Amino acid sequence: GAVVSQHPSWVICKSGTSVKIECRSLDFQATTMFWYRQFPKQSLMLMATSNEGSKATYEQGVEKDKFLINHASLTLSTLTVTSAHPEDSSFYICSARGISTYEQYFGPGTRLTVT
Amino acid sequence: AQSVTQLGSHVSVSEGALVLLRCNYSSSVPPYLFWYVQYPNQGLQLLLKYTTGATLVKGINGFEAEFKKSETSFHLTKPSAHMSDAAEYFCAVKTSYDKVIFGPGTSLSVIP
Repeated sequence: GAVVSQHPSWVICKSGTSVKIECRSLDFQATTMFWYRQFPKQSLMLMATSNEGSKATYEQGVEKDKFLINHASLTLSTLTVTSAHPEDSSFYICSARGISTYEQYFGPGTRLTVT
Repeated sequence: AQSVTQLGSHVSVSEGALVLLRCNYSSSVPPYLFWYVQYPNQGLQLLLKYTTGATLVKGINGFEAEFKKSETSFHLTKPSAHMSDAAEYFCAVKTSYDKVIFGPGTSLSVIP
């Protein structure tokens, strides 16, 4: 149980285009989802926290207009990287937390490459 | 504010030797502590966690960690390293705001 999927697993896009990444909790309802980015050989940095049905809370330094997060249902959150640039190339990982639990379950990650 | 440090960005051990990965945390509230493993180009897998109760926590793949409040530490150990243990290991602490803060990670290499 407690499986989180991400789609796509990898994506290449051209500079200036937008990319949407999906994060789904497959067998539980996720009231809260978290989005992280990870640069090569570095740790995970929390970008934002999203609660179902409400606006996401972004960490300091993360541009909310560039990284659009939607958490429209208890099983789906999306991250849209708008007007992507090469510096946005990174590994994006989501995690989901269910109702009445402290534990987060992580997705497999999405590798974004902007050319 | 909570934070996590991991001493040693890279650790090498011989196959069959003891694995010791160090983690120290700071937290203003009783911490929830975690160890995760990440293989190349993959997500995170939970190895073990400490919430309350017994301070020696056993996890998957033969790993264990001991919560020492007096030392604010949560070091990860495994008695005998296996080649398949080579990966990146992250210590993490759950904050009072319900976020998980990760340490910088330790890359473990296992020498045959």
